[in-house]
Amino acid sequence: EPEVTQTPSHQVTQMGQEVILRCVPISNHLYFYWYRQILGQKVEFLVSFYNNEISEKSEIFDDQFSVERPDGSNFTLKIRSTKLEDSAMYFCASSDGTGDQPQHFGDGTRLSIL
Amino acid sequence: GENVEQHPSTLSVQEGDSAVIKCTYSDSASNYFPWYKQELGKGPQLIIDIRSNVGEKKDQRIAVTLNKTAKHFSLHITETQPEDSAVYFCAASQFGNEKLTFGTGTRLTIIP
Repeated sequence: EPEVTQTPSHQVTQMGQEVILRCVPISNHLYFYWYRQILGQKVEFLVSFYNNEISEKSEIFDDQFSVERPDGSNFTLKIRSTKLEDSAMYFCASSDGTGDQPQHFGDGTRLSIL
Repeated sequence: GENVEQHPSTLSVQEGDSAVIKCTYSDSASNYFPWYKQELGKGPQLIIDIRSNVGEKKDQRIAVTLNKTAKHFSLHITETQPEDSAVYFCAASQFGNEKLTFGTGTRLTIIP
């Protein structure tokens, strides 16, 4: 069964550094998402992306965050200047966008900011 | 915006018994309600979903019920097995391809 893949599985970064999290969505999917989960808390929506542009973003997704689909297969989340509170699991998801097709999640990248 | 409440936060059930997890939502415009299972170190995996024009949906040992008037929906797992132990999240959205608002999760432990 096709799956969403994310790399790296764990990223350790110094505070203030830039970090890029990478995702390969399911190949025929059209909608892409980033969510995050702070340890022990619920999964929170960050941003959705369709047709090469952001379709919706949450208040968490401030100017430090950006997303890009640099080619036909990758979808990236960049955090420009990381803060301690950015430490979390970041999940990428995708859906094919037809009707109510569900969002399929990757296994996440654990981001640790030191 | 949407707010999803989930109860209980932890649930321990004897193997073979049933487990029920309940969620309420606040936005009457929500129409799509998926349930995800999250195992340790993994991402959320969809186990069942329901849309607002349906009151109940079943898939083998798993069922979901929806009461749109009361704005609540529930996950029922029958004949529980050790591999059902995980964290379960409910979620809501207006459409399947829009942002999901998640509940706070239920840690289900099946006692052999």
